[in-house]
Amino acid sequence: EDQVTQSPEALRLQEGESSSLNCSYTVSGLRGLFWYRQDPGKGPEFLFTLYSAGEEKEKERLKATLTKKESFLHITAPKPEDSATYLCAVQGIYGGSQGNLIFGKGTKLSVKP
Amino acid sequence: DSGVTQTPKHLITATGQRVTLRCSPRSGDLSVYWYQQSLDQGLQFLIQYYNGEERAKGNILERFSAQQFPDLHSELNLSSLELGDSALYFCASSARLAGGPTDTQYFGPGTRLTVL
Repeated sequence: EDQVTQSPEALRLQEGESSSLNCSYTVSGLRGLFWYRQDPGKGPEFLFTLYSAGEEKEKERLKATLTKKESFLHITAPKPEDSATYLCAVQGIYGGSQGNLIFGKGTKLSVKP
Repeated sequence: DSGVTQTPKHLITATGQRVTLRCSPRSGDLSVYWYQQSLDQGLQFLIQYYNGEERAKGNILERFSAQQFPDLHSELNLSSLELGDSALYFCASSARLAGGPTDTQYFGPGTRLTVL
């Protein structure tokens, strides 16, 4: 069964304190791994798609990396506006549910000034 | 703004009632997905439509149904509502059915359903 586990559940950082969020996944054939940002009461906002191990993508203070078993979202010198829940999702190749996303429960990030 | 619109934003109703949630995908997107987000379960896939046809089902209850119309907008119908159906319901759309860099799913702002 396809599965996504994110850690930690919550992370509190001081402004400027860099850290990483982890996403471990099990999928029978990875089509893509997705990172989303979600603010309270809002829809998930797309950040990155990673397709193969070794791939990296960057956007402002965020950098996503992918291995065969996990993905990391590195946050460099975060600012208070980076506070949100970060969601990881995988899309599998096989099975009747290919195309839809399997989400982790997210990491709630709080950045204090 | 993702380009996906959902109405209504909020819906308050009573147990046993039926409601309809509406979604308009991004211009040009053929696939529509429905997800349910509750505090304890996280985001759960419900159902997918592609160009008017049902393509995949997830953890969708028999009391729930959906359809995608010729203009590509979609509706999610929830009937015989129970307290446990209270959740955020999101619609997402993508350009293709699956596969390739154009299948990124973009989410709408959601409909918050409260069942009293």
